[in-house]
Amino acid sequence: GAVVSQHPSWVICKSGTSVKIECRSLDFQATTMFWYRQFPKQSLMLMATSNEGSKATYEQGVEKDKFLINHASLTLSTLTVTSAHPEDSSFYICSARDFLLAGRYNEQFFGPGTRLTVL
Amino acid sequence: AQSVSQHNHHVILSEAASLELGCNYSYGGTVNLFWYVQYPGQHLQLLLKYFSGDPLVKGIKGFEAEFIKSKFSFNLRKPSVQWSDTAEYFCAVNAGVAYSSASKIIFGSGTRLSIRP
Repeated sequence: GAVVSQHPSWVICKSGTSVKIECRSLDFQATTMFWYRQFPKQSLMLMATSNEGSKATYEQGVEKDKFLINHASLTLSTLTVTSAHPEDSSFYICSARDFLLAGRYNEQFFGPGTRLTVL
Repeated sequence: AQSVSQHNHHVILSEAASLELGCNYSYGGTVNLFWYVQYPGQHLQLLLKYFSGDPLVKGIKGFEAEFIKSKFSFNLRKPSVQWSDTAEYFCAVNAGVAYSSASKIIFGSGTRLSIRP
């Protein structure tokens, strides 16, 4: 149980185009979803938190207009990188949480990640 | 604000050596603590987690961690490492209240573990 999927697993795009990444909770309803970014050989940096039906809360330094997050249903969140540039190339990882599953550990379940390369 | 520090950036060990990776967090209240592993080219996997109770937590693959509240530490240990343990290890903390929509997991900078056969 508690499986999170991401699509696509990797994407290459041209500079200036927009890219959408999907995150789905397959066997549970995710009241909260999170988006992280990981540069090569670095840690995961939290970009934003979204609750179903609400606007996302972005971490300091993350451009809201650059990284559009939509959490329209309890099983799907999308991250759109608008007008992507080479510096946006990174590994994007989502995670999802359901309060019942998370329990007292406040656990989040992580997706496999999406590698974005902007040429 | 919560934060996590991992002071060992790269650890190199021989097979069968004992392992201890340091993790310190900063937050005065109740925390949830985690260790994750990321094998080369693979996604994040949960090794173990702690909320309360016995401060010595046992996880998968023979790993364990000890929570020492007075030192704000949650160090990861393994008595005898294998070549297959070569990976990136991340300590993480969630200082939010359980069942709160505001709680979130923050990661340390990671420790790269290289095991010599």
